[in-house]
Amino acid sequence: DAGVTQSPTHLIKTRGQQVTLRCSPKSGHDTVSWYQQALGQGPQFIFQYYEEEERQRGNFPDRFSGHQFPNYSSELNVNALLLGDSALYLCASSLANRPQPQHFGDGTRLSIL
Amino acid sequence: EDKVVQSPLSLVVHEGDTVTLNCSYEVTNFRSLLWYKQEKKAPTFLFMLTSSGIEKKSGRLSSILDKKELFSILNITATQTGDSAIYLCAVEARHPQGGSNYKLTFGKGTLLTVNP
Repeated sequence: DAGVTQSPTHLIKTRGQQVTLRCSPKSGHDTVSWYQQALGQGPQFIFQYYEEEERQRGNFPDRFSGHQFPNYSSELNVNALLLGDSALYLCASSLANRPQPQHFGDGTRLSIL
Repeated sequence: EDKVVQSPLSLVVHEGDTVTLNCSYEVTNFRSLLWYKQEKKAPTFLFMLTSSGIEKKSGRLSSILDKKELFSILNITATQTGDSAIYLCAVEARHPQGGSNYKLTFGKGTLLTVNP
C-alpha cells in the first residue's frame, strides 16, 4: 500500500523563477492538502483540493496555485519565487467525510538562491 | 484566526526520563487534535483525540485532551534516544463556510533531544 509520494525531493531555484511540485496521495484517499514548513516552524496550511477544486486556502498569496487531477494526484505551483519561499513543502492526503488523520509525504525541499 | 501553542519549544533529557509536552489551542469549529512525530522528513501520525478525558496510549506514549480548558498533553515515559524528534501538535477545524472540508493548524513543535 503506497503512502503519499512527492517529487522531486530537492530543488534549487533562483529568485523570479517558477516551480511545480507534485504529490500522489495514499491509495484510497481523495483529498490533498499542501503545507509550507520553514526552518524551525510548524507546517503552515497553503490550500486543499477535493474533487479537482480548491476547497480551502490559507494566508498565501496568489503566486501559490495548485491543481488536482482526476486520479487525485496534485501539483503545487509557485510563481515569481522569493527568497522567503525557501522551505520544506509537504503534501498530505486524507479521505473526505471521514474523521481520519492526514498522512504526509516526505516533502520537497525547495531552496531559493 | 486559529491558533496552536506548544511548550516547551525545546527539551533535553536523559534516557529513562519521563517527559510531558503541552499544546494549547484556540480554534473555531474544532473537530480533533492530532499529535505527529517529525524526525527528518514526513510527520508521522501518533494520536488523534476528539473526546475530553479519554487517554490514548501506544506503548510508552500517551495523550489526553481537555476540551474545556483547550489543551492537550503528550507523555513519553522511559525515553529512548530514538524518541529524539520534533513533536507537532495540530488542530483540525471545519472550514468557516461549513461543508466537509477540514484543515490542520499546527503549532511550532517541541524539539525533544534524548541523550544516552
